[in-house]
Amino acid sequence: KAGVTQTPRYLIKTRGQQVTLSCSPISGHRSVSWYQQTPGQGLQFLFEYFSETQRNKGNFPGRFSGRQFSNSRSEMNVSTLELGDSALYLCASSFNAGKGYTFGSGTRLTVV
Amino acid sequence: KQEVTQIPAALSVPEGENLVLNCSFTDSAIYNLQWFRQDPGKGLTSLLLIQSSQREQTSGRLNASLDKSSGRSTLYIAASQPGDSATYLCAVTQDSGAGSYQLTFGKGTKLSVIP
Repeated sequence: KAGVTQTPRYLIKTRGQQVTLSCSPISGHRSVSWYQQTPGQGLQFLFEYFSETQRNKGNFPGRFSGRQFSNSRSEMNVSTLELGDSALYLCASSFNAGKGYTFGSGTRLTVV
Repeated sequence: KQEVTQIPAALSVPEGENLVLNCSFTDSAIYNLQWFRQDPGKGLTSLLLIQSSQREQTSGRLNASLDKSSGRSTLYIAASQPGDSATYLCAVTQDSGAGSYQLTFGKGTKLSVIP
């Protein structure tokens, strides 16, 4: 059974650019959540998608957005990148909350 | 707002020792609690999931307990091995409304097992 797949693994971008990260959940999982991990703030919730609808959003600026496709794959986009956006971005999929979450390996974004 | 605290932030033990990692949370209205392991630069690996109605879960050398009313969970690792060296994260799941749930994480305990 394939796990959660995140692409790309590493990204280097320049301030002001935009970036798109991709997440393919475990087959059959319709919920996809995104988290940002930084050394200072730890893991923080970005947003959750279920059946192509954003159900919940964390306390991040509007530069952070996402979407989910009919096959449950999800993308998140960050526009007008800032140095502080450098982080490990993790995607998690779930069949339902009661069965817990499975995380991908993450995308390491470096903004220079 | 839920806050999750993990103590200690770092722990170094000799190989073979038994150890306990602690996690506390401020809001007891949780759906479940999950312990994860994270190796440097990698994603999260789920270790144990405890439903809010359960008191403990076991997997191999790992045992996690949950006391929801007091807002505490512990992860017990028996006979530690160098391969157990990693950061251990505790996360609680809560209902965010509209059928959505989200995880709130602690900052983690960085464990080093010395051969």
